Amino acid sequence: DQQVKQNSPSLSVQEGRISILNCDYTNSMFDYFLWYKKYPAEGPTFLISISSIKDKNEDGRFTVFLNKSAKHLSLHIVPSQPGDSAVYFCAASENYGQNFVFGPGTRLSVLP
Amino acid sequence: EPEVTQTPSHQVTQMGQEVILRCVPISNHLYFYWYRQILGQKVEFLVSFYNNEISEKSEIFDDQFSVERPDGSNFTLKIRSTKLEDSAMYFCASSATGTGGVSINQPQHFGDGTRLSIL
Repeated sequence: DQQVKQNSPSLSVQEGRISILNCDYTNSMFDYFLWYKKYPAEGPTFLISISSIKDKNEDGRFTVFLNKSAKHLSLHIVPSQPGDSAVYFCAASENYGQNFVFGPGTRLSVLP
Repeated sequence: EPEVTQTPSHQVTQMGQEVILRCVPISNHLYFYWYRQILGQKVEFLVSFYNNEISEKSEIFDDQFSVERPDGSNFTLKIRSTKLEDSAMYFCASSATGTGGVSINQPQHFGDGTRLSIL
């Protein structure tokens, strides 16, 4: 039962370039989406969110795009920095943000 | 910046023993959650808690699990009779209330987790 999918287990990007992390979901009832970043031995850190009434949300270097018809969202990081190297989780909720379903994560490596 | 704290960072317990994992949520948050992540697998929702009662729980959260807010600051997860398959990272999270007093579209903030190892 993979309601939230992140099909790329890993991604490598050069410093200064754009990182694009993708997430697909199957549950059309999901109405709130988040991206988390996770370093080893730490808990997930909230990055950015988007609700289903929007198709884009921007916060500094991070932009999340939501395509509801395709059930797809993406996280863009511009410009990428070595400190962005971490595992990125996409999470989705259909219940006003209570029960989040997490994707399996994508490990981003930003190379200097 | 306020943060969620969890203790202990690592708990080793014999199979069949009871274990209590502790969390101190962010002080003005009223919604609390437990998640777990088995090694190599994804983060899974266990339970959400609001107004001193469980508001939602997953299939994983069976009768051996319980949660409690024993005082104004702590939020605990108890596993009554641990099994080998309970070995995982357990994350506590909390969120603020949104419009109308419900946790609507509010991000959850996570602690650094407790690694539970069942022997």
